[in-house]
Amino acid sequence: AQSVTQLGSHVSVSEGALVLLRCNYSSSVPPYLFWYVQYPNQGLQLLLKYTSAATLVKGINGFEAEFKKSETSFHLTKPSAHMSDAAEYFCAVSESGGSNYKLTFGKGTLLTVNP
Amino acid sequence: DTGVSQDPRHKITKRGQNVTFRCDPISEHNRLYWYRQTLGQGPEFLTYFQNEAQLEKSRLLSDRFSAERPKGSFSTLEIQRTEQGDSAMYLCASSSRQGAQETQYFGPGTRLLVL
Repeated sequence: AQSVTQLGSHVSVSEGALVLLRCNYSSSVPPYLFWYVQYPNQGLQLLLKYTSAATLVKGINGFEAEFKKSETSFHLTKPSAHMSDAAEYFCAVSESGGSNYKLTFGKGTLLTVNP
Repeated sequence: DTGVSQDPRHKITKRGQNVTFRCDPISEHNRLYWYRQTLGQGPEFLTYFQNEAQLEKSRLLSDRFSAERPKGSFSTLEIQRTEQGDSAMYLCASSSRQGAQETQYFGPGTRLLVL
C-alpha cells in the first residue's frame, strides 16, 4: 500500500526566505508524485508532478521539487517566499500500473509567510 | 476548458436528511474521482469512474453513499440519512489518460455541514 508522510503540519517563513516543505512516500511500485496547493475554501491546484523523466521538477509560481529514490523523498522548495504563497500544501502519490490512479495524500503542511 | 465545477459549494443539512452533490468534469475527461477531506486532513479517495462505469469504491464509502455517472458525463454523489460525521469537504477531480500517467484536476469542492 502506498502512503505519504509530510513532516511538519505548519511551516512559518519570512517573506523572501527559502521555503522547504518535506514529503516522504512509500510505494511498492514506481510512484507518480504530485504537489498540490489549496487556498482557503477552495479546491486543489496542481503545482507540479514527477513523471520519471527528470528528478528535478519545476512547477508553477517558482516552486520545484526533487525526487530522491534512495531517500524516498519529494521535497518542495522555493528560493524566495512571497506573501501569496501562504496556503496549505499537499503531497500525493499514485501508483503506476492498473487502471485506477487514485491519489493518496499526506495530511498537508500549512505555510505561513510573515512580512 | 472551463475546469471542473461542483454544485452546491456549501450545504447545511440536518442529521437524517439526504443530500446530493453534482460534479461536472472537464468535457474531454473520461475519468472522474470523488474524494472527501475532513478538517486538518488530506483528501481521501472515495470512488472512481471511467466513463459511466464505477470501477472502484473505498471502504470509506458506506452503504449510505451512492455515486453515479450517467452517460459518462457529470456525476452525482448522494448521502442518505446524513450523520454529523459526514461533515466534510467533498472534492471531485477529473482526468484523461496521457500515456502511462495522468493528472487529476480538482473542482472547488462542496462543503457539507450536518447539524
